[in-house]
Amino acid sequence: GENVEQHPSTLSVQEGDSAVIKCTYSDSASNYFPWYKQELGKRPQLIIDIRSNVGEKKDQRIAVTLNKTAKHFSLHITETQPEDSAVYFCAANTNFGNEKLTFGTGTRLTIIP
Amino acid sequence: DAGVIQSPRHEVTEMGQEVTLRCKPISGHDYLFWYRQTMMRGLELLIYFNNNVPIDDSGMPEDRFSAKMPNASFSTLKIQPSEPRDSAVYFCASSPGPLDEQYFGPGTRLTVT
Repeated sequence: GENVEQHPSTLSVQEGDSAVIKCTYSDSASNYFPWYKQELGKRPQLIIDIRSNVGEKKDQRIAVTLNKTAKHFSLHITETQPEDSAVYFCAANTNFGNEKLTFGTGTRLTIIP
Repeated sequence: DAGVIQSPRHEVTEMGQEVTLRCKPISGHDYLFWYRQTMMRGLELLIYFNNNVPIDDSGMPEDRFSAKMPNASFSTLKIQPSEPRDSAVYFCASSPGPLDEQYFGPGTRLTVT
Protein backbone atom coordinates (compact mmCIF):
# COMPACT_ATOMS: atom_id res chain seq x y z
CA GLY A 1 0.00 0.00 0.00
CA GLU A 2 0.88 3.68 0.10
CA ASN A 3 3.77 4.74 2.34
CA VAL A 4 4.03 8.40 3.36
CA GLU A 5 7.14 9.65 5.12
CA GLN A 6 7.22 13.06 6.78
CA HIS A 7 10.19 15.14 7.96
CA PRO A 8 11.14 16.62 10.30
CA SER A 9 9.24 15.20 13.26
CA THR A 10 9.79 18.40 15.22
CA LEU A 11 10.59 21.91 14.05
CA SER A 12 11.17 25.13 15.95
CA VAL A 13 11.35 28.48 14.20
CA GLN A 14 11.51 32.08 15.30
CA GLU A 15 8.33 34.06 14.89
CA GLY A 16 8.37 35.74 11.52
CA ASP A 17 10.64 33.16 9.91
CA SER A 18 9.53 30.51 7.42
CA ALA A 19 8.86 26.83 8.10
CA VAL A 20 9.07 23.98 5.61
CA ILE A 21 7.77 20.44 6.12
CA LYS A 22 8.47 17.72 3.56
CA CYS A 23 6.73 14.48 2.66
CA THR A 24 7.49 11.67 0.27
CA TYR A 25 5.07 9.05 -1.00
CA SER A 26 5.48 5.70 -2.70
CA ASP A 27 2.43 5.22 -4.95
CA SER A 28 3.04 6.86 -8.31
CA ALA A 29 -0.71 6.80 -8.95
CA SER A 30 -1.43 9.11 -5.99
CA ASN A 31 -3.04 12.34 -7.14
CA TYR A 32 -4.39 14.05 -4.02
CA PHE A 33 -2.21 15.52 -1.26
CA PRO A 34 -3.87 17.31 1.66
CA TRP A 35 -2.31 18.90 4.72
CA TYR A 36 -4.04 18.88 8.09
CA LYS A 37 -3.26 20.98 11.14
CA GLN A 38 -3.97 19.73 14.64
CA GLU A 39 -3.71 22.10 17.55
CA LEU A 40 -3.08 20.70 20.99
CA GLY A 41 -6.10 18.76 22.21
CA LYS A 42 -8.12 19.56 19.10
CA ARG A 43 -9.21 17.72 15.97
CA PRO A 44 -7.25 17.70 12.69
CA GLN A 45 -8.43 20.33 10.21
CA LEU A 46 -7.61 20.71 6.53
CA ILE A 47 -5.50 23.76 5.79
CA ILE A 48 -4.58 23.24 2.16
CA ASP A 49 -4.54 20.51 -0.46
CA ILE A 50 -3.11 20.01 -3.92
CA ARG A 51 -4.02 17.74 -6.78
CA SER A 52 -1.56 16.34 -9.25
CA ASN A 53 -2.58 18.59 -12.12
CA VAL A 54 -0.80 21.55 -10.49
CA GLY A 55 2.67 22.02 -9.10
CA GLU A 56 2.00 24.69 -6.51
CA LYS A 57 -0.90 26.16 -4.60
CA LYS A 58 -0.97 29.15 -2.26
CA ASP A 59 -3.38 30.41 0.35
CA GLN A 60 -2.18 33.55 2.09
CA ARG A 61 0.84 32.55 4.20
CA ILE A 62 0.77 28.86 3.36
CA ALA A 63 1.74 27.11 0.16
CA VAL A 64 2.19 23.56 -0.99
CA THR A 65 4.49 22.39 -3.78
CA LEU A 66 4.32 19.04 -5.52
CA ASN A 67 7.01 17.21 -7.49
CA LYS A 68 5.37 14.15 -9.02
CA THR A 69 8.55 12.94 -10.67
CA ALA A 70 10.37 12.78 -7.35
CA LYS A 71 7.20 11.82 -5.46
CA HIS A 72 7.48 14.47 -2.82
CA PHE A 73 5.47 17.45 -1.68
CA SER A 74 6.13 20.20 0.83
CA LEU A 75 4.27 22.66 3.04
CA HIS A 76 5.64 26.16 3.32
CA ILE A 77 4.52 28.61 5.99
CA THR A 78 5.85 32.15 5.71
CA GLU A 79 5.87 34.93 8.32
CA THR A 80 5.12 32.41 11.04
CA GLN A 81 2.97 33.45 13.99
CA PRO A 82 2.43 31.89 17.44
CA GLU A 83 -0.93 30.48 16.32
CA ASP A 84 0.91 28.38 13.72
CA SER A 85 2.22 26.21 16.56
CA ALA A 86 0.58 22.80 16.05
CA VAL A 87 1.14 19.34 14.64
CA TYR A 88 0.94 19.19 10.85
CA PHE A 89 0.09 16.01 8.94
CA CYS A 90 0.56 15.38 5.26
CA ALA A 91 -1.40 12.69 3.45
CA ALA A 92 -1.62 11.02 0.08
CA ASN A 93 -4.34 8.96 -1.48
CA THR A 94 -4.02 5.37 -2.52
CA ASN A 95 -6.12 3.74 -5.17
CA PHE A 96 -5.73 0.00 -4.84
CA GLY A 97 -9.34 -0.75 -5.69
CA ASN A 98 -10.63 1.96 -3.37
CA GLU A 99 -9.71 5.50 -2.41
CA LYS A 100 -8.33 6.29 1.01
CA LEU A 101 -5.75 8.55 2.60
CA THR A 102 -2.51 7.50 4.23
CA PHE A 103 -1.20 10.05 6.71
CA GLY A 104 2.38 10.92 7.53
CA THR A 105 3.58 10.67 11.11
CA GLY A 106 3.23 14.39 11.77
CA THR A 107 5.52 17.37 12.43
CA ARG A 108 5.29 19.27 15.67
CA LEU A 109 5.91 22.92 14.78
CA THR A 110 6.77 25.34 17.57
CA ILE A 111 6.94 29.07 16.91
CA ILE A 112 9.31 30.84 19.27
CA PRO A 113 8.11 34.36 20.14
CA ASP B 1 -24.77 21.89 10.66
CA ALA B 2 -23.22 21.07 14.04
CA GLY B 3 -20.36 19.22 12.44
CA VAL B 4 -19.37 15.65 13.17
CA ILE B 5 -20.58 14.59 16.59
CA GLN B 6 -18.90 11.93 18.67
CA SER B 7 -19.79 10.42 22.02
CA PRO B 8 -18.61 9.91 24.59
CA ARG B 9 -15.79 12.46 24.66
CA HIS B 10 -13.95 10.51 27.32
CA GLU B 11 -14.21 6.88 28.28
CA VAL B 12 -12.38 5.09 31.04
CA THR B 13 -12.93 1.38 31.31
CA GLU B 14 -11.33 -1.71 32.71
CA MET B 15 -9.61 -4.32 30.63
CA GLY B 16 -12.04 -6.89 29.31
CA GLN B 17 -15.02 -4.57 29.16
CA GLU B 18 -16.92 -3.76 26.00
CA VAL B 19 -16.55 -0.22 24.66
CA THR B 20 -18.86 1.43 22.13
CA LEU B 21 -17.95 4.69 20.45
CA ARG B 22 -20.57 6.63 18.52
CA CYS B 23 -20.48 9.02 15.60
CA LYS B 24 -22.97 11.19 13.75
CA PRO B 25 -21.56 12.43 10.44
CA ILE B 26 -22.41 15.68 8.71
CA SER B 27 -25.71 15.37 6.87
CA GLY B 28 -25.21 14.74 3.18
CA HIS B 29 -21.72 13.32 3.52
CA ASP B 30 -21.49 9.92 1.87
CA TYR B 31 -18.18 8.88 3.41
CA LEU B 32 -17.45 8.11 7.05
CA PHE B 33 -14.02 7.27 8.44
CA TRP B 34 -12.84 5.93 11.79
CA TYR B 35 -9.26 6.80 12.83
CA ARG B 36 -7.16 5.96 15.84
CA GLN B 37 -4.45 8.34 17.05
CA THR B 38 -1.58 7.43 19.35
CA MET B 39 1.82 8.95 19.95
CA MET B 40 3.56 5.83 18.71
CA ARG B 41 1.54 5.10 15.57
CA GLY B 42 0.17 8.51 14.62
CA LEU B 43 -3.14 8.76 12.79
CA GLU B 44 -4.29 5.38 11.50
CA LEU B 45 -7.34 4.69 9.35
CA LEU B 46 -9.29 1.80 10.86
CA ILE B 47 -12.25 1.53 8.50
CA TYR B 48 -14.33 3.64 6.17
CA PHE B 49 -17.85 3.50 4.80
CA ASN B 50 -19.42 4.73 1.60
CA ASN B 51 -23.20 5.12 1.71
CA ASN B 52 -23.30 3.02 4.88
CA VAL B 53 -21.36 0.13 3.31
CA PRO B 54 -17.92 -0.78 4.71
CA ILE B 55 -15.38 -0.35 1.92
CA ASP B 56 -12.03 -0.96 3.56
CA ASP B 57 -11.50 -2.44 7.01
CA SER B 58 -7.88 -3.43 6.50
CA GLY B 59 -6.83 -1.08 9.29
CA MET B 60 -8.94 -2.78 11.95
CA PRO B 61 -6.36 -4.21 14.33
CA GLU B 62 -8.03 -7.51 15.10
CA ASP B 63 -11.32 -9.27 15.60
CA ARG B 64 -11.92 -7.44 18.85
CA PHE B 65 -12.76 -4.37 16.79
CA SER B 66 -15.99 -4.04 14.81
CA ALA B 67 -17.78 -1.14 13.17
CA LYS B 68 -21.29 -0.65 11.87
CA MET B 69 -23.22 2.02 10.05
CA PRO B 70 -26.92 1.12 10.22
CA ASN B 71 -28.00 4.36 8.55
CA ALA B 72 -26.61 7.53 7.03
CA SER B 73 -26.60 9.43 10.29
CA PHE B 74 -25.04 7.00 12.74
CA SER B 75 -22.02 4.77 13.11
CA THR B 76 -20.49 2.78 15.97
CA LEU B 77 -17.05 1.41 16.67
CA LYS B 78 -17.03 -1.39 19.20
CA ILE B 79 -14.13 -2.97 21.04
CA GLN B 80 -14.82 -6.24 22.81
CA PRO B 81 -12.96 -7.14 24.93
CA SER B 82 -10.93 -4.00 25.47
CA GLU B 83 -7.22 -4.09 26.33
CA PRO B 84 -4.84 -1.42 27.72
CA ARG B 85 -3.12 -1.13 24.33
CA ASP B 86 -6.40 0.12 22.86
CA SER B 87 -5.97 3.35 24.82
CA ALA B 88 -5.95 6.15 22.23
CA VAL B 89 -7.98 8.98 20.80
CA TYR B 90 -10.53 7.72 18.29
CA PHE B 91 -11.69 10.15 15.63
CA CYS B 92 -14.64 9.88 13.33
CA ALA B 93 -14.57 11.96 10.14
CA SER B 94 -16.95 12.46 7.23
CA SER B 95 -16.66 13.86 3.73
CA PRO B 96 -18.85 14.31 0.65
CA GLY B 97 -16.51 12.26 -1.53
CA PRO B 98 -13.44 10.04 -1.05
CA LEU B 99 -10.96 12.78 -1.90
CA ASP B 100 -12.78 15.75 -0.44
CA GLU B 101 -11.99 17.54 2.79
CA GLN B 102 -12.54 15.27 5.75
CA TYR B 103 -14.31 16.89 8.68
CA PHE B 104 -13.19 15.39 11.94
CA GLY B 105 -15.23 15.05 15.07
CA PRO B 106 -13.83 16.12 18.45
CA GLY B 107 -12.62 12.60 19.18
CA THR B 108 -13.15 10.12 21.99
CA ARG B 109 -10.28 9.69 24.40
CA LEU B 110 -10.32 6.06 25.49
CA THR B 111 -8.38 4.84 28.49
CA VAL B 112 -8.35 1.14 29.28
CA THR B 113 -6.92 0.27 32.68
